[in-house]
Amino acid sequence: EPEVTQTPSHQVTQMGQEVILRCVPISNHLYFYWYRQILGQKVEFLVSFYNNEISEKSEIFDDQFSVERPDGSNFTLKIRSTKLEDSAMYFCASSGTGGKNIDFGDGTRLSIL
Amino acid sequence: AQTVTQSQPEMSVQEAETVTLSCTYDTSESDYYLFWYKQPPSRQMILVIRQEAYKQQNATENRFSVNFQKAAKSFSLKISDSQLGDAAMYFCAYNHAGGTSYGKLTFGQGTILTVHP
Repeated sequence: EPEVTQTPSHQVTQMGQEVILRCVPISNHLYFYWYRQILGQKVEFLVSFYNNEISEKSEIFDDQFSVERPDGSNFTLKIRSTKLEDSAMYFCASSGTGGKNIDFGDGTRLSIL
Repeated sequence: AQTVTQSQPEMSVQEAETVTLSCTYDTSESDYYLFWYKQPPSRQMILVIRQEAYKQQNATENRFSVNFQKAAKSFSLKISDSQLGDAAMYFCAYNHAGGTSYGKLTFGQGTILTVHP
């Protein structure tokens, strides 16, 4: 069964450094998303991406964040200058049309030191 | 904006018994999807069950079923014959079915379910 793949599973980065989280969505999906979950809290929407552009973003997704689909398979989330409060689990997700079936990756745990 | 509320931070159940997790939501939309996700300690997000708002019939997946009350904006999850492997955090989530907000899920705060042997 096709699945969303995220790498790495755990990323440790020094505060102020740039980090790139990588995702390979399901191949025939058209919509891509990033979500964040700070430890012990609920899952929060960051951004959605469709047709090579951002379709919606939350207030969390400020200028420090960017997303890209550099080729036909990868979908990346970049944080330019990480802060301690960026420590969280980051989930990539993808879907076909309509938002009925949204598949999540296993997440990348980002730890900022 | 849509909101999702799970009023039970924690619930517990004896193995083989039945437990119901509550969820309410607020929306002005008429067409949407509701989901229950399970998050075990590994922190994966596992889809348990989905309900389409236009369907009156409650969704069922094996031991998992929902009680969807559209007018009351209530969406509870019933787990029958609870098993030790059901122990996890459970999140209720809402997704608008139209416009450009595909996949912009709004999650509740979660309910930690403990299953006692």
